[in-house]
Amino acid sequence: KAGVTQTPRYLIKTRGQQVTLSCSPISGHRSVSWYQQTPGQGLQFLFEYFSETQRNKGNFPGRFSGRQFSNSRSEMNVSTLELGDSALYLCASSSGAGNTIYFGEGSWLTVV
Amino acid sequence: AQTVTQSQPEMSVQEAETVTLSCTYDTSESDYYLFWYKQPPSRQMILVIRQEAYKQQNATENRFSVNFQKAAKSFSLKISDSQLGDAAMYFCAYVKQGNLIFGKGTKLSVKP
Repeated sequence: KAGVTQTPRYLIKTRGQQVTLSCSPISGHRSVSWYQQTPGQGLQFLFEYFSETQRNKGNFPGRFSGRQFSNSRSEMNVSTLELGDSALYLCASSSGAGNTIYFGEGSWLTVV
Repeated sequence: AQTVTQSQPEMSVQEAETVTLSCTYDTSESDYYLFWYKQPPSRQMILVIRQEAYKQQNATENRFSVNFQKAAKSFSLKISDSQLGDAAMYFCAYVKQGNLIFGKGTKLSVKP
């Protein structure tokens, strides 16, 4: 069984641009969540989707958005990038509440 | 608010020795799940162990075991026979509704 796959793995963007990150969950997993990891703030929850519906959202500005498709694949978008958005973005999937959550390798975003 | 506290920013252990990483959490829920994740320099988040709060028996996975004290809201991780490959950041996490809340992490070094 393939694991959680995130693309792209590395990217560099300029301030003011927007970026879209993609995540393919483990086959059969309907819950996909996103996390931002930075040295200063640690691991912070962005949002979680289940069957195309956003169930939970973390404390991030509206520039951060996401969606989930019918095949459970998910994308997150960050508009009007700021230097502080430079981070490792981790996607995770699970088969449901309380079940083990598995992570992808992450997407490294650098904003210059 | 639900919080997770890891009071040891860094720990060091001699190869083949045993080390215990501490974690406390705060929740008003009676049924929940707790995890320990390992993040090596590659930054891949790897599940180490999972504990269901309604189970009194402590979870064990090979050299890894937990000491789960529900009343004290404590969830420590014991690594026995430490190996060089155990060197990593270790994160304790609490989950509710698909949303992982992480501690700040403990950086574990293993000395040969």
